[in-house]
Amino acid sequence: GESVGLHLPTLSVQEGDNSIINCAYSNSASDYFIWYKQESGKGPQFIIDIRSNMDKRQGQRVTVLLNKTVKHLSLQIAATQPGDSAVYFCAENGDSSYKLIFGSGTRLLVRP
Amino acid sequence: GAGVSQTPSNKVTEKGKYVELRCDPISGHTALYWYRQSLGQGPEFLIYFQGTGAADDSGLPNDRFFAVRPEGSVSTLKIQRTERGDSAVYLCASSLEAGSYEQYFGPGTRLTVT
Repeated sequence: GESVGLHLPTLSVQEGDNSIINCAYSNSASDYFIWYKQESGKGPQFIIDIRSNMDKRQGQRVTVLLNKTVKHLSLQIAATQPGDSAVYFCAENGDSSYKLIFGSGTRLLVRP
Repeated sequence: GAGVSQTPSNKVTEKGKYVELRCDPISGHTALYWYRQSLGQGPEFLIYFQGTGAADDSGLPNDRFFAVRPEGSVSTLKIQRTERGDSAVYLCASSLEAGSYEQYFGPGTRLTVT
């Protein structure tokens, strides 16, 4: 399928290394944040979420960090694998209870 | 179980034509969302259905765009008098409960207007 992000910032990492993908969010009213993974030709896939009353949340090989002071979100992927290659989007809820506002995305390339 | 499905996967149409894009949400999901994704960008919200009614259509770009969900399950996004700027991937998502951030996305329909 067509590539989602031909002009996206790209992070290239060696297989087995840790990856850190950053996101600056825009709306001070946001209290819910999600990271999505999108492979070429597919829809976004939920990875991990965090609410504003937390500053860190861990999943399987992934950790999300939230810094509300500077409106910054990061996704850490441990022991990056070739299957992690994709475009990663952060999303926030703004002042909505259902509408998601997506960031512009980062392409992760994993070198074997 | 089956995820969100969208048909067609690709649609090429001429400027000025009418198109319909279909979304089949996950069975039992009450809420349905349409987003549009342009190349190199994140998805942008178009419309949100709670059951059969459009609870929020504030993201629809203009009155050429319309969406329905007559029986509270399948939804159709309709675009009249298509323009080249409408070319994008149209994503559908559904959630079990109304007003949930836990949205499951379909693979999208890639619309190309020539």
